[in-house]
Amino acid sequence: RKEVEQDPGPFNVPEGATVAFNCTYSNSASQSFFWYRQDCRKEPKLLMSVYSSGNEDGRFTAQLNRASQYISLLIRDSKLSDSATYLCVVILQNYGGSQGNLIFGKGTKLSVKP
Amino acid sequence: DGGITQSPKYLFRKEGQNVTLSCEQNLNHDAMYWYRQDPGQGLRLIYYSQIVNDFQKGDIAEGYSVSREKKESFPLTVTSAQKNPTAFYLCASSILAGEIDTQYFGPGTRLTVL
Repeated sequence: RKEVEQDPGPFNVPEGATVAFNCTYSNSASQSFFWYRQDCRKEPKLLMSVYSSGNEDGRFTAQLNRASQYISLLIRDSKLSDSATYLCVVILQNYGGSQGNLIFGKGTKLSVKP
Repeated sequence: DGGITQSPKYLFRKEGQNVTLSCEQNLNHDAMYWYRQDPGQGLRLIYYSQIVNDFQKGDIAEGYSVSREKKESFPLTVTSAQKNPTAFYLCASSILAGEIDTQYFGPGTRLTVL
């Protein structure tokens, strides 16, 4: 049962390119959504939360489509330093709180080339 | 500096040995978590704890044990019953504020069974 699916990539793009990742989730009770970034052999770090209205942080834009059950991450003007694996995270609704109900995707690998 | 620390960074274990991985946080977070990450795989939840002296099994708790005697500390013991313990172990914590449960990760421990 794959609750959160991501294209594993790798996405190989030149500097300055715009790249988009999608993440689909299967549980309609999913409540909250995040994108994390994980560098090679490092811990995941929170990149941004994903709000229903969509949100932007500099070159990064996250969007949520509840009807189609997917979230997206758009990176504009890619930098070499954007090279990493991007993890989609979904929190399932739990009346007792969300603890223990984070579902991680396997990640999409991005490689930005000069 | 506030943060989450894990030690050791690298750990080698002989088959049949129990080992304990340390996780400490000074963020005053209520909840702490242990995940395991295998190459090319998403994070899988081992155990989590919302308050001191209480913890819950995650998806893959077999062969692991935890304790939460202090709010700041959540050590994980990998027992000899864990059949395939070689992996990257990540500890995380969160503040339990409302329904959004953003988790922050420590730098991880790489465990290798010889």
